[in-house]
Amino acid sequence: QVQLQESGPGLVKPSGTLSLTCAVSGGSISSSNWWSWVRQPPGKGLEWIGEIYHSGSTNYNPSLKSRVTISVDKSKNQFSLKLSSVTAADTAVYYCARDPLANFAFDIWGQGTMVTVSS
Amino acid sequence: EIVLTQSPGTLSLSPGERATLSCRASQSVSSSYLAWYQQKPGQAPRLLIYGASSRATGIPDRFSGSGSGTDFTLTISRLEPEDFAVYYCQQYGSSPPPFTFGPGTKVDIK
Repeated sequence: QVQLQESGPGLVKPSGTLSLTCAVSGGSISSSNWWSWVRQPPGKGLEWIGEIYHSGSTNYNPSLKSRVTISVDKSKNQFSLKLSSVTAADTAVYYCARDPLANFAFDIWGQGTMVTVSS
Repeated sequence: EIVLTQSPGTLSLSPGERATLSCRASQSVSSSYLAWYQQKPGQAPRLLIYGASSRATGIPDRFSGSGSGTDFTLTISRLEPEDFAVYYCQQYGSSPPPFTFGPGTKVDIK
């Protein structure tokens, strides 16, 4: 079965760039799914960041669009998130998730990775 | 942007009782595009319901979803000890951002 695993630095300095990768195992990233990033600040709710299809097509949350880049590496079966100019407000658990075409819901999630923005 | 409101914020119930959770949208949502998740502390959300009423793979039949338009409901027919958690609704729509979540309802033990 498909599994997702996030990886990346747990600490990022203010004004720096947050970079995370989501490795897809047990299935192909080129299957008929969109691949999303969702974040959750400590003690708060869920916020959708953006998504990518294996073709490279992307959609972003307008509230983050100017700072977000999501990319896909089919050779490594993974996709990545870059969030620039981070502040303490970007401190959160970051999840990657799968959205099967036509489901419009996230059926598989990674375990999440905590990223703290601090000097 | 479609804003989702969930009520109540906290629901205190005993095992075996019925839980009824509400999700209200600021604009009409297609029933095909409304989902519910369960999240326990330290864990990722788990998809329970998609398309407003379809149970995800492996979800017990004590979980059911209903509703249309702007009002949706998640019902847990008889609470099991493992059901005490936070529940989020989520919608997909044409207004950006395409995916939004409600603030969550916490179901705790009375």
